[in-house]
Amino acid sequence: GAVVSQHPSRVICKSGTSVKIECRSLDFQATTMFWYRQFPKQSLMLMATSNEGSKATYEQGVEKDKFLINHASLTLSTLTVTSAHPEDSSFYICSASSERGATNEKLFFGSGTQLSVL
Amino acid sequence: RKEVEQDPGPFNVPEGATVAFNCTYSNSASQSFFWYRQDCRKEPKLLMSVYSSGNEDGRFTAQLNRASQYISLLIRDSKLSDSATYLCVINDYKLSFGAGTTVTVRA
Repeated sequence: GAVVSQHPSRVICKSGTSVKIECRSLDFQATTMFWYRQFPKQSLMLMATSNEGSKATYEQGVEKDKFLINHASLTLSTLTVTSAHPEDSSFYICSASSERGATNEKLFFGSGTQLSVL
Repeated sequence: RKEVEQDPGPFNVPEGATVAFNCTYSNSASQSFFWYRQDCRKEPKLLMSVYSSGNEDGRFTAQLNRASQYISLLIRDSKLSDSATYLCVINDYKLSFGAGTTVTVRA
């Protein structure tokens, strides 16, 4: 099956620093990748949709200047949390679809990044 | 009303028991439905799609009730390894996730 690689799996940083998270599709070309955030015991919340070669589309309430998304190639998308604060501590996870737009669209997820901001 | 709602549980069941739970959705035009399994601080993994006529995969049975707008998941002969959070995912114009139902199977 399709594989999506995400790293780092865990990062602890000081408040005010920036953290970059990478997401790669290993065996397929993902023109679209998605970034989610999940707080404990809550559902995955879509933050933004990342399209290769164009600007990301952010969901309402997500600050695009704080969460920088770059989709430089068909296999790589990055999320940079700029000037991180403790309230940004969360589980961040990316996904890519191998059948974008199909009614039976399935998502393949990266393994997630647990961010802890001190 | 939330787009997707699930009973958070937890459902604590002994090994070998049957456990079932539902997920309701608000958009009657939703096209496709999935159950994902998520272990603690891990990525969700697709368990099964849910078809209109209902479908089975081993000990897992999924059903769709369009009239009442819910899907269900039933786990028979539960194993310790079934302990996880089960997310329902609804595809309308975008994918919407439920918050998950936690199942704990005890020895």
